Amino acid sequence: GQQVMQIPQYQHVQEGEDFTTYCNSSTTLSNIQWYKQRPGGHPVFLIQLVKSGEVKKQKRLTFQFGEAKKNSSLHITATQTTDVGTYFCAAFSGGYNKLIFGAGTRLAVHP
Amino acid sequence: DTAVSQTPKYLVTQMGNDKSIKCEQNLGHDTMYWYKQDSKKFLKIMFSYNNKELIINETVPNRFSPKSPDKAHLNLHINSLELGDSAVYFCASSQEGLAGVDEQFFGPGTRLTVL
Repeated sequence: GQQVMQIPQYQHVQEGEDFTTYCNSSTTLSNIQWYKQRPGGHPVFLIQLVKSGEVKKQKRLTFQFGEAKKNSSLHITATQTTDVGTYFCAAFSGGYNKLIFGAGTRLAVHP
Repeated sequence: DTAVSQTPKYLVTQMGNDKSIKCEQNLGHDTMYWYKQDSKKFLKIMFSYNNKELIINETVPNRFSPKSPDKAHLNLHINSLELGDSAVYFCASSQEGLAGVDEQFFGPGTRLTVL
């Protein structure tokens, strides 16, 4: 079945540094979603990318969808302690809105 | 005003017991899901219902049985609990948007510990 590989598994940064997590698939994706899960919390939807080469921004967060629609990235500029959590990419596999999640990247931000 | 709610939040039980987790959404969504998140944070879909009809049934042991009495509720019953069932179980819901897909709204999770 479809798999979505996500790296890195962990990232420790100093507050103010940038952070990027990457998502890759061996197959072309129809779209990709990103979720954030705070420690002890539940996944919360951040964004959905659909178009080849699409770039979307949410304040300090920049999301990209590759030209071939096989990879995606989430970049956070000047991290803050509120950015702490696990970031997941997720892609639909088959029909019925079946989401396949990447393994997640756990971000720790040191003040 | 919680969009997706789950009960209980924590569940500690002995091996071999049977337990249920309940989920309700007040978003008017047609589709509901159960996910399992293990200790390594890996999130995997278990089941999905659309308008009370089972549409996704992953390779989950028969001991897990979902039930959807109406489209706002999706419960999960687990028989003969095993140590490996310890995890956080998330309920989620979604509504297919104009683009054919839509975001999923997750409940707060139920942390199940099997002793």
